[in-house]
Amino acid sequence: DAGVIQSPRHEVTEMGQEVTLRCKPISGHNSLFWYRQTMMRGLELLIYFNNNVPIDDSGMPEDRFSAKMPNASFSTLKIQPSEPRDSAVYFCASSLDRGLGEAFFGQGTRLTVV
Amino acid sequence: AQSVTQLDSQVPVFEEAPVELRCNYSSSVSVYLFWYVQYPNQGLQLLLKYLSGSTLVKGINGFEAEFNKSQTSFHLRKPSVHISDTAEYFCAVSDRGAQKLVFGQGTRLTINP
Repeated sequence: DAGVIQSPRHEVTEMGQEVTLRCKPISGHNSLFWYRQTMMRGLELLIYFNNNVPIDDSGMPEDRFSAKMPNASFSTLKIQPSEPRDSAVYFCASSLDRGLGEAFFGQGTRLTVV
Repeated sequence: AQSVTQLDSQVPVFEEAPVELRCNYSSSVSVYLFWYVQYPNQGLQLLLKYLSGSTLVKGINGFEAEFNKSQTSFHLRKPSVHISDTAEYFCAVSDRGAQKLVFGQGTRLTINP
């Protein structure tokens, strides 16, 4: 398996634009997580899905952020409109077992909003 | 809510010296504990995990960690570090039966020749 695949690896956009980050989890994994990493706040869990259903979105910063998982092999994180303070590295991770095993991380998307 | 404290934001050591990276977590309920490593411009990789059983857990690249329930700690150790161990290390915890991994702020390990 190629692991968790995220695209794009880098995104530079202007304030106010819509940004969509994409993630393909490892085949067979039933949980998917979106994390945001910044120097100030470290690694924050934004939202996680189990069997394509959002379970906990309490980490989503505000209504400008939304996430979907239309099927077991694809998820998106959308920011609309984007703001400079959204600049961060966004990681997607997937795992197989509920609360037991490790989470496998993608390479991340470095988002810069200017 | 769970929280994880990594007591050192940066740890510089000389090559071949031993190292300990400290981690404490907040909850007294049953937990699973993890250490992840992040190399520059990479995602996180699992180093080791404690689920149950022996409190001394061995991981990849010669790292090990010891679970101490009474002190709610899960410190990471390596007896002799190499330049290639230069990275950021994250401690993480999840409550048993829960899905959420909560991460510490990370410790940047710098190896000097």
